[in-house]
Amino acid sequence: DAGITQSPRHKVTETGTPVTLRCHQTENHRYMYWYRQDPGHGLRLIHYSYGVKDTDKGEVSDGYSVSRSKTEDFLLTLESATSSQTSVYFCATGEDYSNQPQHFGDGTRLSIL
Amino acid sequence: AQSVTQPDIHITVSEGASLELRCNYSYGATPYLFWYVQSPGQGLQLLLKYFSGDTLVQGIKGFEAEFKRSQSSFNLRKPSVHWSDAAEYFCAVGPMDSSYKLIFGSGTRLLVRP
Repeated sequence: DAGITQSPRHKVTETGTPVTLRCHQTENHRYMYWYRQDPGHGLRLIHYSYGVKDTDKGEVSDGYSVSRSKTEDFLLTLESATSSQTSVYFCATGEDYSNQPQHFGDGTRLSIL
Repeated sequence: AQSVTQPDIHITVSEGASLELRCNYSYGATPYLFWYVQSPGQGLQLLLKYFSGDTLVQGIKGFEAEFKRSQSSFNLRKPSVHWSDAAEYFCAVGPMDSSYKLIFGSGTRLLVRP
């Protein structure tokens, strides 16, 4: 596998608190992605990165921010968590010219009460 | 609007039987096409992808998919299903540019009868 580690794997928090999810990769892949997975919606792209300090928004970016200060780490922050952000979050990486995700982490299950 | 439709939410097949999972897309141009598999509690694994060329694509674990432009379809097939194939399968389409905007279908859950 591509050596993607997501932390934490599970988190329960309260509405209004900030939350940061971490994605760490060991394969030196250029592209990194954050998705959320909700029943009936498949995966939806939150943010992506095409290099260190190079990030852009996906289709459901409101309420989320990201940072990538090193190739191997991609952080997702929920600035003020809401119940609608309860979801399973997946980090992914990509390496080839298609610019699309090919390797996924095992996910973070986030519950916001 | 760009979209991906997987018309079957659940499919049940007997072990050893053949499998076809359907995927239809709506897209403005010829896209990149992907199939992923997700086992419970895990992330997605790329099964195969189509970029160009031969419309029949071979993937891992004995899966193949055929791109049919006239039908806007990219159906996934396997000639003989194994119990370990039970999982959820996602079709996805992406643009042939660098916009990184992959669109996923809502998934088909495959159950395998012994």
